[in-house]
Amino acid sequence: QVQLQQSGPGLVKPSETLSLTCAISGDSVSTDSAAWNWIRQSPSRGLEWLGRTYYRSRWNNEYAGSVRSRITINPDTSRNQFSLQLNSVTPDDTAVYYCVRGWIGDGWDVWGQGTTVTVSS
Amino acid sequence: DVVMTQSPLSLPVTLGQPASISCRSSQSLVHSDGNTKLSWFQQRPGQSPRRLIYRVSNRASGVPDRFSGSGSGTDFTLKISRVEAEDVGVYYCMQGTHWPPTFGGGTKVEIK
Repeated sequence: QVQLQQSGPGLVKPSETLSLTCAISGDSVSTDSAAWNWIRQSPSRGLEWLGRTYYRSRWNNEYAGSVRSRITINPDTSRNQFSLQLNSVTPDDTAVYYCVRGWIGDGWDVWGQGTTVTVSS
Repeated sequence: DVVMTQSPLSLPVTLGQPASISCRSSQSLVHSDGNTKLSWFQQRPGQSPRRLIYRVSNRASGVPDRFSGSGSGTDFTLKISRVEAEDVGVYYCMQGTHWPPTFGGGTKVEIK
């Protein structure tokens, strides 16, 4: 059974970097049959897909236009996990962040437990 | 971006009775590969979303058969044949045909 375990701070100061990690069990971040995504949820924005990383002969990263200039998603094959970095955060980035496995066209079949991140000084 | 509009926003249902949720997209969701990439998710109180339906009508593993999806083009429906107490939560549609993927605003199902 595939499980995703998230970790990272719940409070980030404005203008700093939000960093979260998602540890994978029961699957491999290097698999060529899944993509590894970050999605966030807030009362103001609803559910919002942020980006993904996946391996197809090489590593590929794709990001939503709304955060493209500030986001990095990286795989870590040695630890079988992937991470999210969001730079220059503002209070508008306050949300519950989810790491998720799957392809956009088929929905996403495995979700992490969610991490509530508050951006505040 | 494709706008996904769900109705109703709130749906009070009697236990054992059917429920139906509508989802409309601002553009056709038929992909160039011929597939229609419309999914439904359930979010129970305090939990992460869970995939129920993908590609309009395919039930995800472990999803009870009282859940069904239908529709085409821009109009889609999620039906619960007989609502049970565990079905309380918010339901979201999501399109994966056009970039970027987008979600509907959600429909809250509650027991009368």
